[in-house]
Amino acid sequence: DQQVKQNSPSLSVQEGRISILNCDYTNSMFDYFLWYKKYPAEGPTFLISISSIKDKNEDGRFTVFLNKSAKHLSLHIVPSQPGDSAVYFCAARPTGTASKLTFGTGTRLQVTL
Amino acid sequence: GAVVSQHPSRVICKSGTSVKIECRSLDFQATTMFWYRQFPKQSLMLMATSNEGSKATYEQGVEKDKFLINHASLTLSTLTVTSAHPEDSSFYICSASWAGGPYNEQFFGPGTRLTVL
Repeated sequence: DQQVKQNSPSLSVQEGRISILNCDYTNSMFDYFLWYKKYPAEGPTFLISISSIKDKNEDGRFTVFLNKSAKHLSLHIVPSQPGDSAVYFCAARPTGTASKLTFGTGTRLQVTL
Repeated sequence: GAVVSQHPSRVICKSGTSVKIECRSLDFQATTMFWYRQFPKQSLMLMATSNEGSKATYEQGVEKDKFLINHASLTLSTLTVTSAHPEDSSFYICSASWAGGPYNEQFFGPGTRLTVL
């Protein structure tokens, strides 16, 4: 039972354009969401997060939007850069300290010149 | 920022042998460490959660006798894959967090690629 889903396994975007990565979840207990970026043979690195009390969080070129009623979140990267090419995982967890994360299956982003 | 290291970065072993993977938090004391496994083109799957000084909590379907986890100190956790078989070949990643950290974020190690021949 995949509680966090990323339905697009891959995405190709031209440099300078906006990249939009989507994520859906099914568990209503999730109230904190994170995006991680991962290069091959490396561990994930934290990118940006959002609490369920917000619907938007912005950090530089990265913005995460949360739609609780739809159980959907998205990561916007604008402008996209070649260095953004990586696999992006969304993750979610319920309230609690150091609670375990449930990861999506990842979306491979390719930013082309 | 919080740094987590893993050793070795890759290991190749024969079927039936045991392999130990170390996970260290370099600049903070990790009250909780997590072990994940990632198969090619799949998500990171949590294997177990360990708190320093107590027994690890394993996820459903993960054999505790096969994947031994020791979290003996606040900076070190080890995962031992006992009697490894080819189906155990995977990318193993640890993460660490501390109570009171930045919203209890998990900081990930670089991973260990295990290949069992």
